[in-house]
Amino acid sequence: DQQVKQNSPSLSVQEGRISILNCDYTNSMFDYFLWYKKYPAEGPTFLISISSIKDKNEDGRFTVFLNKSAKHLSLHIVPSQPGDSAVYFCAASDQGGSEKLVFGKGTKLTVNP
Amino acid sequence: DVKVTQSSRYLVKRTGEKVFLECVQDMDHENMFWYRQDPGLGLRLIYFSYDVKMKEKGDIPEGYSVSREKKERFSLILESASTNQTSMYLCASSVEGLAGALRYNEQFFGPGTRLTVL
Repeated sequence: DQQVKQNSPSLSVQEGRISILNCDYTNSMFDYFLWYKKYPAEGPTFLISISSIKDKNEDGRFTVFLNKSAKHLSLHIVPSQPGDSAVYFCAASDQGGSEKLVFGKGTKLTVNP
Repeated sequence: DVKVTQSSRYLVKRTGEKVFLECVQDMDHENMFWYRQDPGLGLRLIYFSYDVKMKEKGDIPEGYSVSREKKERFSLILESASTNQTSMYLCASSVEGLAGALRYNEQFFGPGTRLTVL
């Protein structure tokens, strides 16, 4: 039973365009969401997060949107750059519960020059 | 900066060997985690620890054990390595979450150990 789903295993975009990575969750107790970026042969690095009390959080070229009613979040990268090519993992947690994060399976983003 | 280090970047072992993967963090974090990453399966939690000598099973603990004798160190043990344990192993740590903290439950990852079992 997958509680966090990233339904697109891969995404390819042109440099300079927008990249939109999607994530759906099923557990209504989740109230904090994170995106991680992972290059090959490296550990994931934290990218951006959002609390359920917000519906948007921005950090430079990266914006995360949260739609609680739809249990959906998305990561927007504008403009996309070749260095953004990586695997992106969505993760969720229940702040009042466990220290664990529940990860999606990841989306491999390729930004073509 | 938080630093999480793992003892080896690449490791090759034979079936049946006992394998130790070591992880050390330098930020006095209470929580430590071991994951494995496989193509198409994402990050799967093997074990985690929220305090010294405390451990809890994750989603795929079979074939693994862990040890946390000191706060900064969390070891993953493969009692008898098998070929289906060939994977990328990732260690992470996190601080005990604080109410209102922006990065509640953010985990900091090490560089990973690519283990091949022949």
